[in-house]
Amino acid sequence: GQQVMQIPQYQHVQEGEDFTTYCNSSTTLSNIQWYKQRPGGHPVFLIQLVKSGEVKKQKRLTFQFGEAKKNSSLHITATQTTDVGTYFCAGNYGGATNKLIFGTGTLLAVQP
Amino acid sequence: EPEVTQTPSHQVTQMGQEVILRCVPISNHLYFYWYRQILGQKVEFLVSFYNNEISEKSEIFDDQFSVERPDGSNFTLKIRSTKLEDSAMYFCASLGFLGQGAGTSGRYPRNEQFFGPGTRLTVL
Repeated sequence: GQQVMQIPQYQHVQEGEDFTTYCNSSTTLSNIQWYKQRPGGHPVFLIQLVKSGEVKKQKRLTFQFGEAKKNSSLHITATQTTDVGTYFCAGNYGGATNKLIFGTGTLLAVQP
Repeated sequence: EPEVTQTPSHQVTQMGQEVILRCVPISNHLYFYWYRQILGQKVEFLVSFYNNEISEKSEIFDDQFSVERPDGSNFTLKIRSTKLEDSAMYFCASLGFLGQGAGTSGRYPRNEQFFGPGTRLTVL
């Protein structure tokens, strides 16, 4: 079946350090979305990547979609304490429903 | 800004009891979803709903589960006979428009799902 894996499971950084999480799908994706979930909160949409090799930036966040549309990454430059949370990639394999297959998530802890 | 709402925020029930989790999606949205998240784990797709019927469901969504949109605004998830392993956070999500291809502008539509705050279900 369709599976989405993420590494690392957990990352602890000092404020100001960079952070990267990697996402890998077992099969080719139609598109990939990234969500952030604060502790005790709900997933909040960050971005959608559709095209092979696509790179998008949101301030200190850089998102990449692999050439084969099977992997993706999120890189945060100079982390801040407000970046704390779990970052999930969510794969969309096409079809009529847009169901999301969430990755296992990376919990980011930022020490001031 | 419009948002998805869910009630109750926390539901405690005894094993074998029926529960109904309620969601009010964003008013002009057309696609509705239920996901669940067992504590500390990933978010799992349960079911999608469009045009007043289930469009897709996962293996988790067995005969004990059902969904309804009874009045054009609420979207409910019913679990007929709860089990201990049903304890989880249940998220409702809605999507306004589903686009698959780039439009004449060359831009792909943003298929953002808006998630509600969740209902924490505890089965004792």
